[in-house]
Amino acid sequence: AQKITQTQPGMFVQEKEAVTLDCTYDTSDPSYGLFWYKQPSSGEMIFLIYQGSYDQQNATEGRYSLNFQKARKSANLVISASQLGDSAMYFCAMREIYGQNFVFGPGTRLSVLP
Amino acid sequence: EAGVTQSPTHLIKTRGQQATLRCSPISGHTSVYWYQQALGLGLQFLLWYDEGEERNRGNFPPRFSGRQFPNYSSELNVNALELEDSALYLCASSLARESNQPQHFGDGTRLSIL
Repeated sequence: AQKITQTQPGMFVQEKEAVTLDCTYDTSDPSYGLFWYKQPSSGEMIFLIYQGSYDQQNATEGRYSLNFQKARKSANLVISASQLGDSAMYFCAMREIYGQNFVFGPGTRLSVLP
Repeated sequence: EAGVTQSPTHLIKTRGQQATLRCSPISGHTSVYWYQQALGLGLQFLLWYDEGEERNRGNFPPRFSGRQFPNYSSELNVNALELEDSALYLCASSLARESNQPQHFGDGTRLSIL
């Protein structure tokens, strides 16, 4: 069964606007971590932000924030003030405490328009 | 602190040959993960090693194998190469048994099969 769903294969956003990338997950573990990664066209995977299942507050890292809705099992990435350099693939991932393996979603390709 | 290093950067082989890819994790990380990423697609989980043991394996044929050495570095071996093995192979490391620790990726090895 698909554990991580990213329903937006591609997204466009105007420079300087905010954009939300969707991620829903499926787990029965009580403790897990959620991660977002960015992959530019050069290929490297860059860790952006982490949210723990017991965290009360939504995670933020600079222009990145995570809209965590535990009951809905969603962990959407919000990028504020988009920049041209934000154009990349974005992957949502989960690590369950008992499985301890990482599971990645299929990714969303974000294109920032000037 | 040095990041995850992978070698070689590029590797060109012909069908039927064997390829060996290498990965050195971040110092202190005991878990190493291997992923295959075909052009334009998401990450397909290959193998997970921790403390020298294979912990999990993705849905790949047995000609994909690997090992982890006492210094936690790792090798991925692909035997009897086929054209569809052409892909970017990414290695990642993390602190094991900690669900809040992200994976950190190397820059990958791009394997091309002629």
